[in-house]
Amino acid sequence: AQTVTQSQPEMSVQEAETVTLSCTYDTSENNYYLFWYKQPPSRQMILVIRQEAYKQQNATENRFSVNFQKAAKSFSLKISDSQLGDTAMYFCAFITSGSARQLTFGSGTQLTVLP
Amino acid sequence: KAGVTQTPRYLIKTRGQQVTLSCSPISGHRSVSWYQQTPGQGLQFLFEYFSETQRNKGNFPGRFSGRQFSNSRSEMNVSTLELGDSALYLCASSIGQGTLNTEAFFGQGTRLTVV
Repeated sequence: AQTVTQSQPEMSVQEAETVTLSCTYDTSENNYYLFWYKQPPSRQMILVIRQEAYKQQNATENRFSVNFQKAAKSFSLKISDSQLGDTAMYFCAFITSGSARQLTFGSGTQLTVLP
Repeated sequence: KAGVTQTPRYLIKTRGQQVTLSCSPISGHRSVSWYQQTPGQGLQFLFEYFSETQRNKGNFPGRFSGRQFSNSRSEMNVSTLELGDSALYLCASSIGQGTLNTEAFFGQGTRLTVV
């Protein structure tokens, strides 16, 4: 079975501080991609960052970066210089070649950035 | 370029009725996937269509069905509605072929309430 676990249902961080969201996953496939999506109150899912399993280098997108530990099947998201607009539900997800483009999502972490 | 458009945004139906939701993908995208989001079950994959063919189906009863038209627009239908079908239904579009790395773009969803 393919699963994604996000063990932090809620987190908060002060504006301008750094926060890390945790994610672990389980799959027997070798070819897969990992994603972090953000869902603000508008409900629209927005891709934050993606990581290919074969790449050892951690992905970075501006203030967002990941710590990808393939052996541990861990994929955490670090948000630097947090902004009020980062307040949202964050979902970790992955897709495998065997899943025919089906995204498997975690249960989400509600992040609140405090002024 | 226009994003993914889902209609209607909100819907209230009575138990036993049926409902049809619509999704217009981004121009040029041939894959449309549907997800159900509920507080209890999180995000669950319903099905994916590519070039008018269902490529993958999640673990949902036969009351849930879908189709895709030649212009890539997709509809999903739920018959004999149950209270538990109340959810946010999200549609995602992608190019649908080639590398798994192709980004899935989500619509804002249709909020279905069954009373």
